[in-house]
Amino acid sequence: KAGVTQTPRYLIKTRGQQVTLSCSPISGHRSVSWYQQTPGQGLQFLFEYFSETQRNKGNFPGRFSGRQFSNSRSEMNVSTLELGDSALYLCASSLAPGGDQPQHFGDGTRLSIL
Amino acid sequence: KQEVTQIPAALSVPEGENLVLNCSFTDSAIYNLQWFRQDPGKGLTSLLLIQSSQREQTSGRLNASLDKSSGRSTLYIAASQPGDSATYLCAVVTGANNLFFGTGTRLTVIP
Repeated sequence: KAGVTQTPRYLIKTRGQQVTLSCSPISGHRSVSWYQQTPGQGLQFLFEYFSETQRNKGNFPGRFSGRQFSNSRSEMNVSTLELGDSALYLCASSLAPGGDQPQHFGDGTRLSIL
Repeated sequence: KQEVTQIPAALSVPEGENLVLNCSFTDSAIYNLQWFRQDPGKGLTSLLLIQSSQREQTSGRLNASLDKSSGRSTLYIAASQPGDSATYLCAVVTGANNLFFGTGTRLTVIP
């Protein structure tokens, strides 16, 4: 069974640009969550999607958005990129929301802002 | 707001030693607690998940315990190996399905 797949693995952008990251969950998993990992702040929750609906959102500005498609694949978008957006962005999938299912992570997309 | 703390931040042990990693959280109203490992440049690998109603979980050389009332969890690694070298993260789920992570313990097992 294939794991969580994130594309691209690496991305370099400049300030002011926008970026879209993609996540394909494990087959059969319908809940997808996104996290940002930085050396200073550690791992922080961005948002969670289930059945194409955002169920929960972390404390990030509106420049960070996402969506989920009918096949459970998810994308996150960051507009007007800032230097502080440089981070490893991790996607996790689980069978369903509710907290009783383990979350499985992809290898992440490393975003560097110049 | 849930806060998760892991002590120590870094740990070096000789191969073969048993070791304990600690995790504490401020809000005991959790659904579950999950331990992960992260290798450099990689994502997170799930090690163990303990439901809020459970006291411990075991997988191979790993044993995780949970004391929800005191807000503590430990990860015990028996007979450590160089391949165990990684950063270990604990995370709790409260309310919705989002994980609150600790800052991790960087483990180095010296051959």
